[in-house]
Amino acid sequence: DVKVTQSSRYLVKRTGEKVFLECVQDMDHENMFWYRQDPGLGLRLIYFSYDVKMKEKGDIPEGYSVSREKKERFSLILESASTNQTSMYLCASSTTRAGPVNTQYFGPGTRLTVL
Amino acid sequence: AQRVTQPEKLLSVFKGAPVELKCNYSYSGSPELFWYVQYSRQRLQLLLRHISRESIKGFTADLNKGETSFHLKKPFAQEEDSAMYYCALLIYNQGGKLIFGQGTELSVKP
Repeated sequence: DVKVTQSSRYLVKRTGEKVFLECVQDMDHENMFWYRQDPGLGLRLIYFSYDVKMKEKGDIPEGYSVSREKKERFSLILESASTNQTSMYLCASSTTRAGPVNTQYFGPGTRLTVL
Repeated sequence: AQRVTQPEKLLSVFKGAPVELKCNYSYSGSPELFWYVQYSRQRLQLLLRHISRESIKGFTADLNKGETSFHLKKPFAQEEDSAMYYCALLIYNQGGKLIFGQGTELSVKP
């Protein structure tokens, strides 16, 4: 079974703080993704990565950055948190090599509240 | 433009009634579509994908290229089907990127 874990289930930060969200997958997937999930808006892609040290902007990258130094780990960084970044953040991974290709496996999510 | 539309935010049915969750897409290439489901307090997970042509938990979905639709259907809803459902479109040549719809909350009442 693919396991995608996220460092925190709940996080409360103050406006202006730098926030790190960590995601780790154990299936040697080359693709990793960060989404935010908001009611009525569905899942919106923030950034994704298809290889170590590679990153691509998604649909809403403003205010975020990412880091992928190791294949299994993909970090989302909020350089200066703002209240409009209060949301549920989901990490996912997938592979295009073998097995159920392009099926994304999701972590449990991190609910971030910015005060 | 690449887009996935789920027109219903909330769908409420009684147990035993048929269910159809609508999904329409816009894509210039050959589409590959998925349905994902999120039960209460669980992580988002794959329900089914159109290339597998499978039935999962009694749900089926047929790709209709003429109508650019991929509606999810179940003949007899169960209370345990209550969840949030997302339709997703694979964007080729972009590292397995998916575009998700806005989601439909299905509520099955006893």
